[in-house]
Amino acid sequence: QKEVEQNSGPLSVPEGAIASLNCTYSDRGSQSFFWYRQYSGKSPELIMSIYSNGDKEDGRFTAQLNKASQYVSLLIRDSQPSDSATYLCAVRSGTYKYIFGTGTRLKVLA
Amino acid sequence: GAGVSQSPRYKVAKRGQDVALRCDPISGHVSLFWYQQALGQGPEFLTYFQNEAQLDKSGLPSDRFFAERPEGSVSTLKIQRTQQEDSAVYLCASSLALAGSSGNTIYFGEGSWLTVV
Repeated sequence: QKEVEQNSGPLSVPEGAIASLNCTYSDRGSQSFFWYRQYSGKSPELIMSIYSNGDKEDGRFTAQLNKASQYVSLLIRDSQPSDSATYLCAVRSGTYKYIFGTGTRLKVLA
Repeated sequence: GAGVSQSPRYKVAKRGQDVALRCDPISGHVSLFWYQQALGQGPEFLTYFQNEAQLDKSGLPSDRFFAERPEGSVSTLKIQRTQQEDSAVYLCASSLALAGSSGNTIYFGEGSWLTVV
């Protein structure tokens, strides 16, 4: 079992819809969780970080964390074609090692 | 510069050749990471530096891989006797605070794309 698992997709949603991206992790002791967006040929950029159970909202993005279920998700409201990218879930293991999932490719259809 | 700078951006190496990849982190950033990203995969941890000290090199795939950060700023990842399976993007990242600090954000460079032929 990989430490951080994501569905590779592609996940296709129509413009204006809500995109829901999911991630599970195996280390129950993990405390810090991150979502990165990576455009093709570019480096990952941080979208959201979340450390406590519940929801965290930032503009059109909402991160959700459920430590009991070892599950973290990212919702993108009012999806735009410019949101089309690969979304990487990352979990910090210990004090410095960030473990990444394989990423989910999102396609927003105009 | 404002961001993490990596060079070369693209490198084609013949099998068996040695390569050196350079990372110039954001000025003042204490923590520096190297990651390897194969096509269609997420970044895989290679090594971590806190200032000039290499605290973790557990992700380096073999003893052909070597990383250094002698003065606590610029870092070099060296790959000796390159093999085809070394073909990947090598991402450098840095962060201001000690890794593990609350709210610490890591910033990635654009990566060095290595193709071994």
